[in-house]
Amino acid sequence: GAVVSQHPSWVICKSGTSVKIECRSLDFQATTMFWYRQFPKQSLMLMATSNEGSKATYEQGVEKDKFLINHASLTLSTLTVTSAHPEDSSFYICSARVRPGLAGREQYFGPGTRLTVT
Amino acid sequence: DAKTTQPNSMESNEEEPVHLPCNHSTISGTDYIHWYRQLPSQGPEYVIHGLTSNVNNRMASLAIAEDRKSSTLILHRATLRDAAVYYCILSGSGSGTYKYIFGTGTRLKVLA
Repeated sequence: GAVVSQHPSWVICKSGTSVKIECRSLDFQATTMFWYRQFPKQSLMLMATSNEGSKATYEQGVEKDKFLINHASLTLSTLTVTSAHPEDSSFYICSARVRPGLAGREQYFGPGTRLTVT
Repeated sequence: DAKTTQPNSMESNEEEPVHLPCNHSTISGTDYIHWYRQLPSQGPEYVIHGLTSNVNNRMASLAIAEDRKSSTLILHRATLRDAAVYYCILSGSGSGTYKYIFGTGTRLKVLA
């Protein structure tokens, strides 16, 4: 089946620094990738939709200048948390959507990246 | 965005069937119903999806109401490994986009 990977699986950084998280679709091309954030004991919150070759669409309340998303190819999207602060500490999850037309099962999720900002 | 409502938590005894309900009264005619589950510190895992007819796979069954305003995920014999948070999600052109909006989900506890 389709596999989505994330790198790194966990990262610790100091306040004020930037962190990049990669999301790759390993055996399929993803026209659209999604980024979610999940705080402890809470549900996943959609942050943005990333389409290959175009600007990401951010959900209301998500700072686009703080969470930079780049989707340069059909198999890679990156999320950069700029000037990270402790409140940005969270579990970040990406998903990849198969090409339109394949109805039904649409998204494949990555294993998540645990970010801790000290 | 179409929304779903699920009970916050449910319990089941091991080896017994579990019925996890989901209400989605605002579902559009072209929306698919997806179920995922999530273990702690892991990404969501696909369980099953359907449109109108009931669906079966090796993990579970999905029963969809005739008016499609509700559905039930059925785990035929719960095991300890089925303890997770289960999410019911709608997506499709009827929702406007294919993005997933996660609700609170149902935390399933399986008792040995």
